[in-house]
Amino acid sequence: DIQMTQSPSSLSAYVGDRVTITCRASQSISSYLNWYQQKPGKAPRLLIYGASSLQSGVPSRFSGSGSGTDFTLTISNLQPEDFATFYCQQSYNTPPTFGQGTKVEIK
Amino acid sequence: EVQLVESGGGLVQPGGSLRLSCEASGFTFSSYDMHWVRQGSGRGLEWVSGIGIAGDTYYVGSVRGRFTISRDDAKNSFYLQMNGLGGGDTAVYYCARKVAAEDAYDIWGQGTMVTV
Repeated sequence: DIQMTQSPSSLSAYVGDRVTITCRASQSISSYLNWYQQKPGKAPRLLIYGASSLQSGVPSRFSGSGSGTDFTLTISNLQPEDFATFYCQQSYNTPPTFGQGTKVEIK
Repeated sequence: EVQLVESGGGLVQPGGSLRLSCEASGFTFSSYDMHWVRQGSGRGLEWVSGIGIAGDTYYVGSVRGRFTISRDDAKNSFYLQMNGLGGGDTAVYYCARKVAAEDAYDIWGQGTMVTV
């Protein structure tokens, strides 16, 4: 199985900050990388697919980049509603696997 | 409105069985692969099982042989039959729609809790 490792596990930031979360795959996954946001008690929400494509309805302050084994999710101009846990997920092969999550908290 | 609604969760004794259901609405259900993803308390997301539009099935290793996924396109529903449940299966179980073009899960249910 492909292992997905996110860093950091948690971070604190101010509203308006630029935040970057990284995700590393244990082998090359091309651009088969998705990002999800999850708020407490809620289902995950798809933000980015194919490493860099913005899902419909997602604000443009979210962006993704990377290919191969190293990927990043960037949130520019962090908003109060962005505080949540973010997960990366590889869709390169079965079983699809998720990173352990990055919790973004208010500083 | 595009929606997925799970049901069937609950409290079960170790070794017991449970059947989860997920009913879809607002889209052509038969055109999509459907999946189950679970999340233990305070833990991350774990993919459990998926079923393709042709009925092909896939499982994570830890549930293979114990869980069975199925679908009924006439009822816009799919299911997860869980047998031989153990404490490691305690989690919120989400059903999710996979969009082929995006290779990602774009619609999720609200989750149903399974406690063993």
